[in-house]
Amino acid sequence: GQQLNQSPQSMFIQEGEDVSMNCTSSSIFNTWLWYKQDPGEGPVLLIALYKAGELTSNGRLTAQFGITRKDSFLNISASIPSDVGIYFCAGQLVLGSQGNLIFGKGTKLSVKP
Amino acid sequence: DTGVSQDPRHKITKRGQNVTFRCDPISEHNRLYWYRQTLGQGPEFLTYFQNEAQLEKSRLLSDRFSAERPKGSFSTLEIQRTEQGDSAMYLCASSSEGQGAYEQYFGPGTRLTVT
Repeated sequence: GQQLNQSPQSMFIQEGEDVSMNCTSSSIFNTWLWYKQDPGEGPVLLIALYKAGELTSNGRLTAQFGITRKDSFLNISASIPSDVGIYFCAGQLVLGSQGNLIFGKGTKLSVKP
Repeated sequence: DTGVSQDPRHKITKRGQNVTFRCDPISEHNRLYWYRQTLGQGPEFLTYFQNEAQLEKSRLLSDRFSAERPKGSFSTLEIQRTEQGDSAMYLCASSSEGQGAYEQYFGPGTRLTVT
């Protein structure tokens, strides 16, 4: 099936640091979304992107829809402890159905020991 | 709270038993989705409804799985003759139509353990 390659798989953050993660695919997407999931809970929608090149912010989070429509990135500025969790990118394929979001495997954010 | 709700949150069952999960979407949303998530993976699409019509089913949805949304409001997902490989988190999401269809809002999930 279709794959979204999300990197890094995991990272450690120290409070106040900026964080970057990205998602790439060999296929073209018409929508990119970013979700955060805490243990034992469902994913929470953070940002939705609809146009190539679009840059959207939600508080300390900024995400961009790549101009090739095959990638997206998420930045978190000045991280705080509650940013810990798993971040998923998800996309809607151009030639896919309207119901089927394809998810990456996630980037796990942990606090530096 | 008007978010997506799922019941039960946890279910432990023995192999071979049938289980049924319920999802109540956000009230003004007419689209409802089911996903499955295993450890270390992102959610995988199973099926979705627009109102009461089931519009798409994934190849992951074997014959032992059936989903319904009889009145276009809540939905149920039934798994018959459960197998250990069915152990996973089952997530429900809902959305509106049009551009909002892509913004899917998830419930807390039902964690299924098949022993």
